[in-house]
Amino acid sequence: QVQLVESGGGLVKPGGSLRLSCAASGFTFSDYYMSWIRQAPGKGLEWVSYISSSSSYTNYADSVKGRFTISRDNAKNSLYLQMNSLRAEDTAVYYCARALIVGASDAFDIWGQGTMVTVSS
Amino acid sequence: SSELTQDPAVSVALGQTVRITCQGDSLRSYYASWYQQKPGQAPVLVIYGKNNRPSGIPDRFSGSSSGNTASLTITGAQAEDEADYYCNSRDSSGNHPLFGGGTKLTVL
Repeated sequence: QVQLVESGGGLVKPGGSLRLSCAASGFTFSDYYMSWIRQAPGKGLEWVSYISSSSSYTNYADSVKGRFTISRDNAKNSLYLQMNSLRAEDTAVYYCARALIVGASDAFDIWGQGTMVTVSS
Repeated sequence: SSELTQDPAVSVALGQTVRITCQGDSLRSYYASWYQQKPGQAPVLVIYGKNNRPSGIPDRFSGSSSGNTASLTITGAQAEDEADYYCNSRDSSGNHPLFGGGTKLTVL
């Protein structure tokens, strides 16, 4: 079945780094844009980053631009998020999600179960 | 404004109809999508595009839009519909996806 499974979360000190991974299965990964979306404890959803199917286009929320890098390996059906210079406010559950492009709009139709990132000293 | 505004909480009697709204300037140009999230679970897409339901989403869920307001309507709400609902579209520049603050739906 169509599935996304995140890994790589954990506890990291402020200023530290972490690399999240997302393994895709059950669909042709290389056909789809992918995204990372996060949710701080008790808070709403926040879009973090986007990558096109061929990796030619990436986009970042202002809150993470210059610190986070999204990438993918279509041969491995995997999506990644390299997070550097982490701050307490980056503490959240991080979801990877498959993107549907609907005209000029988008939607996220498949979500992973999420991986928790805690930034604390 | 680059924001998408939702009412924090809405309630509905079992079997009745409820409308959850999302307001934002970008909704004049972009479709909204809607997500249901139950405690401890990942969000689930329930409506996208003009009014499209992914496979497996009951037809009691529908979407509409007028001006700067998008709406998710649940016709005949069920106990299992109690959840947080988030709208999603683009910011006013169109450059970034944006989520509303979420609406907690209580089914009485």
